[in-house]
Amino acid sequence: EIVMTQSPASLSVSPGERATLSCRASQSVSNNLAWYQQKPGQGPRLLISGASTRATGIPARFSGSGSGTEFTLTISSLQSEDFAVYYCQQYNKWPRTFGQGTRVEIK
Amino acid sequence: EVQLVESGGGLVQPGGSLRLSCAASGFTFSGYSMNWVRQTPGKGLEWVSYIRSSDSTVYDADSVKGRFTISRDNAKNSLYLQMSSLRAEDTAVYYCARSVGPLDVWGKGTTVTVSS
Repeated sequence: EIVMTQSPASLSVSPGERATLSCRASQSVSNNLAWYQQKPGQGPRLLISGASTRATGIPARFSGSGSGTEFTLTISSLQSEDFAVYYCQQYNKWPRTFGQGTRVEIK
Repeated sequence: EVQLVESGGGLVQPGGSLRLSCAASGFTFSGYSMNWVRQTPGKGLEWVSYIRSSDSTVYDADSVKGRFTISRDNAKNSLYLQMSSLRAEDTAVYYCARSVGPLDVWGKGTTVTVSS
């Protein structure tokens, strides 16, 4: 199984600042990598697929990059609604696997 | 509006069974592959099971293989997860999610608690 490792586990950021989240795969997943946002009491929401393609309705301040085993999610200027937990997931091989999440908190 | 609504969760004793349902609306259900994903505080998000739209091919996580069965009824726009031989470690919020490669639509989840 492909192990997805996210760092850091948590991140304290002031509104308006930039946040950079990392995700590493234990083997290549090509660009079959998605990022999700989850807020309390809700199901995850797809932000990015194909490592860098924003899902419908996702603001341009969210961007994804990387391929192979190293990936990054960048939130260019954090808004209040962006404080949440973010997960990466590979969909290159079965079983599909998720990272353990990065919590983005208000500083 | 595209929507997935899970139901059927509850408290069940170890070794017991439970059937989860997911009602889909706002899209052509028969044209999409579907998944069950669960979430626990300790293990985070864990993909559980997948069923393909075209031929109902199924993939299961090793942790549930032989105990859980995913199925769908396209006429009822519904996805199911039959869970048997339940264990304490199956306690989680269970989400159904639509596949387009990534999981692009998720429900709000239903809670399963396995405890005596």
